[in-house]
Amino acid sequence: AQSVAQPEDQVNVAEGNPLTVKCTYSVSGNPYLFWYVQYPNRGLQFLLKYITGDNLVKGSYGFEAEFNKSQTSFHLKKPSALVSDSALYFCAVRGGGGYNKLIFGAGTRLAVHP
Amino acid sequence: NAGVMQNPRHLVRRRGQEARLRCSPMKGHSHVYWYRQLPEEGLKFMVYLQKENIIDESGMPKERFSAEFPKEGPSILRIQQVVRGDSAAYFCASSPGSGERETQYFGPGTRLLVL
Repeated sequence: AQSVAQPEDQVNVAEGNPLTVKCTYSVSGNPYLFWYVQYPNRGLQFLLKYITGDNLVKGSYGFEAEFNKSQTSFHLKKPSALVSDSALYFCAVRGGGGYNKLIFGAGTRLAVHP
Repeated sequence: NAGVMQNPRHLVRRRGQEARLRCSPMKGHSHVYWYRQLPEEGLKFMVYLQKENIIDESGMPKERFSAEFPKEGPSILRIQQVVRGDSAAYFCASSPGSGERETQYFGPGTRLLVL
């Protein structure tokens, strides 16, 4: 069965420093991986996805993610964090089995301090 | 270019009442997904629909919950005889196609509070 793990409940970063939000996955077949961000009392906003091709995927708002097949990871990164990046981040994997549902991790709260 | 729309944004019901949540997908999207987010948790898949068809309802509770996506109009998630445990944020997402590579775009959610 497909699954996603986000090992950190919270990540704290100083503004201007690089940030990493971790995600590992378990899939049977090809992995289709997604990152979403959720601001308080809002819906999820799509950041980026890995389907195939380059292992470094670039997305919205300066975010990127690195797909590592051998480590089954898809970590979200940004070279220089902004206070406005503070939010809840979700990693997701396509459900597989011919269905299109997304399976989400529990989420990681990112706090960027001035 | 309007995104996914959900209404109401907030809904308060007393135990035993019915809740109806509506979702209008993005223009050109014919695939709709419903997810539930309990407080301090991630999103859990509930149901996947195309126009007039339920494709995957593996995440739907067996009783009291139903969903539809008629030929005309929004998708509806209906919860009968609500209980306090139904209090959650319910999110709808849509995509233009059914392929595994498709991105799902989410609405702002409906926050249901059962008193």
